[in-house]
Amino acid sequence: DTEVTQTPKHLVMGMTNKKSLKCEQHMGHRAMYWYKQKAKKPPELMFVYSYEKLSINESVPSRFSPECPNSSLLNLHLHALQPEDSALYLCASSRGGGIQETQYFGPGTRLLVL
Amino acid sequence: QKEVEQNSGPLSVPEGAIASLNCTYSDRVSQSFFWYRQYSGKSPELIMSIYSNGDKEDGRFTAQLNKASQYVSLLIRDSQPSDSATYLCAVNRQGAQKLVFGQGTRLTINP
Repeated sequence: DTEVTQTPKHLVMGMTNKKSLKCEQHMGHRAMYWYKQKAKKPPELMFVYSYEKLSINESVPSRFSPECPNSSLLNLHLHALQPEDSALYLCASSRGGGIQETQYFGPGTRLLVL
Repeated sequence: QKEVEQNSGPLSVPEGAIASLNCTYSDRVSQSFFWYRQYSGKSPELIMSIYSNGDKEDGRFTAQLNKASQYVSLLIRDSQPSDSATYLCAVNRQGAQKLVFGQGTRLTINP
């Protein structure tokens, strides 16, 4: 089973709202990722958690705040977003630590900021 | 020079023909290479991974890797309309958790 789940599927929020995206995997993977994807562009890495510790932050604005409560869960807290933050937010996971790491993507959350 | 380069297409191939997708990468220490398929509005789905020079076959798909030329390709035999999608080439370096994607090639299979 290579399933990564994400909720919600769609989210519309105003610029003053606070919301959270959730990602879950039960494959025993120890690395989890957040990507942002704009239309007709490839996914762009935002954050990497490895063994529940933040290992990579690709200079993401502080209005995006990741959290990894345990090895199966990954959250992305959103606050004071801008309309240009509207995109597909993808979560991925991989075994963690190896050279030949395959990342498996969830279905994504489509976010619209008004 | 972009780290991973792909022809953005669109690439149009008749049904039943072979579709050939190409990707070059700039970092010689790259170790792992992936092809993902992405349908419009959906998330990327892993098609193939390849780590060693040569060919790797899985059903109608063959990935080819040439590390000396820093080139990786994906061949799709007996192309079907359901193969119409954007194909993303991705590269990972040893010890790095960062997957670097090419811009993607949009493939259309014409019935």
